[in-house]
Amino acid sequence: DAGITQSPRHKVTETGTPVTLRCHQTENHRYMYWYRQDPGHGLRLIHYSYGVKDTDKGEVSDGYSVSRSKTEDFLLTLESATSSQTSVYFCAISDPGGGARGQPQHFGDGTRLSIL
Amino acid sequence: AQKITQTQPGMFVQEKEAVTLDCTYDTSDQSYGLFWYKQPSSGEMIFLIYQGSYDEQNATEGRYSLNFQKARKSANLVISASQLGDSAMYFCAMRGRSSNTGKLIFGQGTTLQVKP
Repeated sequence: DAGITQSPRHKVTETGTPVTLRCHQTENHRYMYWYRQDPGHGLRLIHYSYGVKDTDKGEVSDGYSVSRSKTEDFLLTLESATSSQTSVYFCAISDPGGGARGQPQHFGDGTRLSIL
Repeated sequence: AQKITQTQPGMFVQEKEAVTLDCTYDTSDQSYGLFWYKQPSSGEMIFLIYQGSYDEQNATEGRYSLNFQKARKSANLVISASQLGDSAMYFCAMRGRSSNTGKLIFGQGTTLQVKP
């Protein structure tokens, strides 16, 4: 299994509070991604990183920021959490480059975030 | 814009029978990759199989095969000899060559239940 650790695994917090989710990898992969999973929507990309301090927005980036100060760590921050950000958050890593198996993204186990 | 469509919200299959999960896609890229992931009730995302757009043969991985019909823009997952452990949600995803960052676009998912 790919070495990806998400923390915390579960969190309950209140509207308006800041929240930071952490993704840590031991694979030295260049690319890291944050997705959210909601019923009926599959997984949607929030932000991604293509190197240290290199990040870009995904499909649903409003209300989220990210930082990557080291290859192994990618942080997702909700500056002021809202109830609409209640979701399951997944971190993924990859080293795109084609190949016979397509260099798939490998996912962490997810963080279940509830905002009351 | 790229899009993945999975039209079957839920499917049932009898144990030991084969089942096909549908996936259609839309992209203007000439080169792209298609992926299937499994998400059991425990929540993790498990990579199953990959098909490249230029691959001449349908991909196979054990009991999983991909029925790739490029002209119809479909990439259906076939699970042979279903097992109870195959009960899960299945996601189809696509990565276009124009996305040199490896970003994936996911479908909404199909929940498969295997009956004993």
